[in-house]
Amino acid sequence: QQPVQSPQAVILREGEDAVINCSSSKALYSVHWYRQKHGEAPVFLMILLKGGEQKGHEKISASFNEKKQQSSLYLTASQLSYSGTYFCGTVLPGAGSYQLTFGKGTKLSVIP
Amino acid sequence: EAQVTQNPRYLITVTGKKLTVTCSQNMNHEYMSWYRQDPGLGLRQIYYSMNVEVTDKGDVPEGYKVSRKEKRNFPLILESPSPNQTSLYFCASSFGGGLGEQFFGPGTRLTVL
Repeated sequence: QQPVQSPQAVILREGEDAVINCSSSKALYSVHWYRQKHGEAPVFLMILLKGGEQKGHEKISASFNEKKQQSSLYLTASQLSYSGTYFCGTVLPGAGSYQLTFGKGTKLSVIP
Repeated sequence: EAQVTQNPRYLITVTGKKLTVTCSQNMNHEYMSWYRQDPGLGLRQIYYSMNVEVTDKGDVPEGYKVSRKEKRNFPLILESPSPNQTSLYFCASSFGGGLGEQFFGPGTRLTVL
């Protein structure tokens, strides 16, 4: 079952902050975050594992609330290069944990 | 250079004409998968493979076949393509299955007329 992302789209001015949310109706084992620029393949940002700590990647960080089955991606002091579509992907606990299911994406546009 | 390659990158075909999209990775990953991307629907998994000769259905497997005879290759087969399979297809590979960083190929844009 696809995780639900919100918002679907957001427009920011350079330097502003944004939060993208990802939620699931089922218990999660891990959450992935990827960014896809127009015409390119998705690129890995980070993975958050159940029981793990909040991850950070320069000015992009994320948290994982296991009790609420939610993850949030935080983009601070946004840059033009942050524009793109952000996808969360979820893995459910269970044998193998091989299936990764992505949400529909959040389109982020950063303008000067 | 570590990479996932796909061929062809663009393909226009007609309904019912069998086709194969190849995917190859040079990182010795045991896990490979196929996704299709359609506007507003995100990335939907078609099939995945945990290792050689081990494959399983993803969320949208109807109309597709896969095989994994070698670790590096994971071709996607459309035996009788239909217009609703017009899409952008991505192959991905990783260590650790769904728990590992996914490395995506450049994508194959398929149009079925």
